[in-house]
Amino acid sequence: EIVLTQSPGTLSLSPGERATLSCRASQSVSSSYIIWFQQKPGQAPRLLIYGASRRATGIPDRFSGSGSGTDFTLTISRLEPEDFAVYYCQLYVSSTGYTFGQGTKLEIK
Amino acid sequence: EVQLVESGGGFVQPGRSLRLSCSASGFSVGDYAMTWVRQAPGKGLEWVAFIRSKPYGATTEYAASVKGRFAISRDESKNIAYLQMNSLETDDTAVYYCTRSLGGYSYGLKPDFDYWGQGTLVTVSS
Repeated sequence: EIVLTQSPGTLSLSPGERATLSCRASQSVSSSYIIWFQQKPGQAPRLLIYGASRRATGIPDRFSGSGSGTDFTLTISRLEPEDFAVYYCQLYVSSTGYTFGQGTKLEIK
Repeated sequence: EVQLVESGGGFVQPGRSLRLSCSASGFSVGDYAMTWVRQAPGKGLEWVAFIRSKPYGATTEYAASVKGRFAISRDESKNIAYLQMNSLETDDTAVYYCTRSLGGYSYGLKPDFDYWGQGTLVTVSS
């Protein structure tokens, strides 16, 4: 079973700063099936990035995804107040279905 | 406009059953892999199950934690997806979200999990 490990667990930054969130897979995976979500308290997750680097409709271009193999990154170039939330990466593997990382909480410093 | 609305959650004793419904509008549940994801209180997201669209065999897949106890289905005439949950355990306590996905056939080229319902809370306790 492939495990996704996100780091850091909590990231404390200020608006205007750059955020770099990591998602590491326990073995090499296809970047086609890496997805990133944003979730705010009391809300459903929101799709940000699919295929590791493709922005979903309506997602600002300050959000970008990258990576390959075992290491994937979500970057928020300049944090806006509404970006403070929990972020999850997700992977699909045909043998085991979908799996999520444990999440990174992005909080205001 | 695409919308997903879950219902059927509630309080249930361990060992009992519950059926969740996901009413869709703005698209056909037969055209997507209808998917359930859950989130235990204060915890992260966990994929539960999906049922693929007909072109992909309408096959079902389940997380190991629910396999043999949960069953996913859909009624295209009503445009509703269901999650039948049997032999419920306290660890099944969570908000259950309905979402649409491509059931592993996005190839990274199409948005996956692009619409979600607001969730329905299931509490399993004696």
